[in-house]
Amino acid sequence: AQTVTQSQPEMSVQEAETVTLSCTYDTSESNYYLFWYKQPPSRQMILVIRQEAYKQQNATENRFSVNFQKAAKSFSLKISDSQLGDTAMYFCAFTDAGGTSYGKLTFGQGTILTVHP
Amino acid sequence: GAGVSQSPSNKVTEKGKDVELRCDPISGHTALYWYRQSLGQGLEFLIYFQGNSAPDKSGLPSDRFSAERTGGSVSTLTIQRTQQEDSAVYLCASSLELAAEYEQYFGPGTRLTVT
Repeated sequence: AQTVTQSQPEMSVQEAETVTLSCTYDTSESNYYLFWYKQPPSRQMILVIRQEAYKQQNATENRFSVNFQKAAKSFSLKISDSQLGDTAMYFCAFTDAGGTSYGKLTFGQGTILTVHP
Repeated sequence: GAGVSQSPSNKVTEKGKDVELRCDPISGHTALYWYRQSLGQGLEFLIYFQGNSAPDKSGLPSDRFSAERTGGSVSTLTIQRTQQEDSAVYLCASSLELAAEYEQYFGPGTRLTVT
């Protein structure tokens, strides 16, 4: 079974600074997808960024980028130029690309990020 | 277009009562997923649908939980004889197809409180 671990229950950052959220995972699969989701107080889960395991290039979406280390099974999220609207719970998630997972997501425990003015 | 909607937004029920939680997926999305978010267990997968079919019910926590989907659209998650440990936020997500490469779009969730 796959597991996803986020070791930082809470993080804080000053507005306009950079912050990195950590995530490690465990799987025996060779092809899979990794995601970072954002959950603000409204509870609506929003996809921030995703990475396909067979792609060596790290994914980037505007101020959000990942550092994907496949051998180390590490998938960290870097938020540059932090904004007050980035305040939320962030979840790292995994899904197997084949087999019988059918896209079902396995989530980490979440990291609460607070951006201070 | 409209996103995934869920109703009710909040539900308070007495222990032992049955509850129904509803999910309206994005139009045209064939895949639908239910997840549960609780303080003790975090975010966990419950069940998925491909069309109206749910081939794998192993994620449901107990036989008090059931789910159905009709017309390839609306889904209902039913919890019978609710217990306090059922208190959680129940999230629904839909995607265009049942496969990992398709993004899942989440609804705002239903917060269930069992007193």
